[in-house]
Amino acid sequence: DIQMTQSPSSLSASVGDRVTITCRASQGISNNLAWFQQKPGRPPKSLIYAASSLQSGVPSKFSGSGSGTDFTLTISSLQPEDFATYYCQQYNSYPLTFGGGTKVEIK
Amino acid sequence: EVQLVESGGGLVKPGGSLRLSCAASGFTFSNYSMNWVRQAPGKGLEWVSSIDKSSTYIYYADSVKGRFTISRDNAKNSLYLQVNSLRAEDTALYYCARGSRLTGDYNYWGQGTLVTVSS
Repeated sequence: DIQMTQSPSSLSASVGDRVTITCRASQGISNNLAWFQQKPGRPPKSLIYAASSLQSGVPSKFSGSGSGTDFTLTISSLQPEDFATYYCQQYNSYPLTFGGGTKVEIK
Repeated sequence: EVQLVESGGGLVKPGGSLRLSCAASGFTFSNYSMNWVRQAPGKGLEWVSSIDKSSTYIYYADSVKGRFTISRDNAKNSLYLQVNSLRAEDTALYYCARGSRLTGDYNYWGQGTLVTVSS
């Protein structure tokens, strides 16, 4: 199974900050990586697929990059509505696996 | 508008069974692969099972293999998960999600149905 390791597991940031979350795969997954945002009591929301393709309707402050084993999600200017937990997911092979999540909190 | 509505969760004793359902609307259900993903209280996301549009290809997480069965009825626009031999560690919110590994586009999720396994 492919293990997905996210870092950090949590971070505190201020409105307007640039935030970067890292996801590392235990083996190469090409660009078969997605990022999700989840707020309390809500289902996950797809932000990015194919490592860097923005889902329709997702603001351009979100961007993804990487290929192979190392990936990043960047929020260019953090806004109050961005405080949430973010998950990466590989879909290169079954079983599909998620990272442990990164909780982004208000500083 | 795409909608996925799960139902069938509840409180069940260890060893018990449930049948979870996901009613789909707003898209041509028979054209899409579907998935079940669960989330234990306060924990992260765990993929459970996937089924392709014609039920030809089915996959399970090792943690549920042999106990859970995914199925679909394209005529009824519905996805199912039969969950048997339930354990305390199966307690979770179960989401259905539209998406295929071929595109990576898991962009529609239901609100989830809660399964609680407790004596």
